[in-house]
Amino acid sequence: SVLTQTPSVSGTPGQRVTISCSGDNSNIGPYPVTWYHQFPGTAPKLLIYASDQRPSEVPARFSGSKSGTSAFLAISGLQSEDEADYYCAVWDDGVKGWLFGGGTKLTVL
Amino acid sequence: QVQLRESGPGLLKPSQTLSLTCTFFGDSFTSGNYYWNWVRQHPGKGLEWIAYIYYSGTAYYNPSLKSRITISIGQSQNQFSLELASVTTADTAVYFCARGDLIHGINVWGQGTTVTVS
Repeated sequence: SVLTQTPSVSGTPGQRVTISCSGDNSNIGPYPVTWYHQFPGTAPKLLIYASDQRPSEVPARFSGSKSGTSAFLAISGLQSEDEADYYCAVWDDGVKGWLFGGGTKLTVL
Repeated sequence: QVQLRESGPGLLKPSQTLSLTCTFFGDSFTSGNYYWNWVRQHPGKGLEWIAYIYYSGTAYYNPSLKSRITISIGQSQNQFSLELASVTTADTAVYFCARGDLIHGINVWGQGTTVTVS
């Protein structure tokens, strides 16, 4: 099983960008998706869990959704500090463990 | 708030066995239905789940690494370990330990420890 993310996405400050994560019926289809961002030299940080739930410390600019076997992370009001790598992750029945997407590098122009 | 910290050798030679330990604070294996994981990240690459051990002691491994890895609960109730046998330069990576569950995913991470095989 593979989770497919667009390798890169870019936007200007204030814009809204969407990052997608495509899977199948052994992972995204039945299970909740988690989203992280990661800055160089640091561990991933949780942005979204259960596909669309946001921890209290995460700004409301970040939102998640899921449709069928795809998940989406939207970032509105883009800020320069949002420039990072973004990963999706989900449980997979075949692996019987977690799958990570390949990551999307967000550049704020 | 649980915190996790990895410890390990840093540098190994090819064919050696990598042994890593994760020590966590503010939780214990008996506290709930958590999966205790190892995840790695090759230089400049994405994240790769390696294995988890459940609080009951059940363990699952990434099929691509299964033949070389063992995950175990430590002697104390706040440690778990990873052994990766017959390392090669392809095992050079940052190794993270992390806690997860099926709702939140892998949501609490250690800072990571860099392992170089050379």
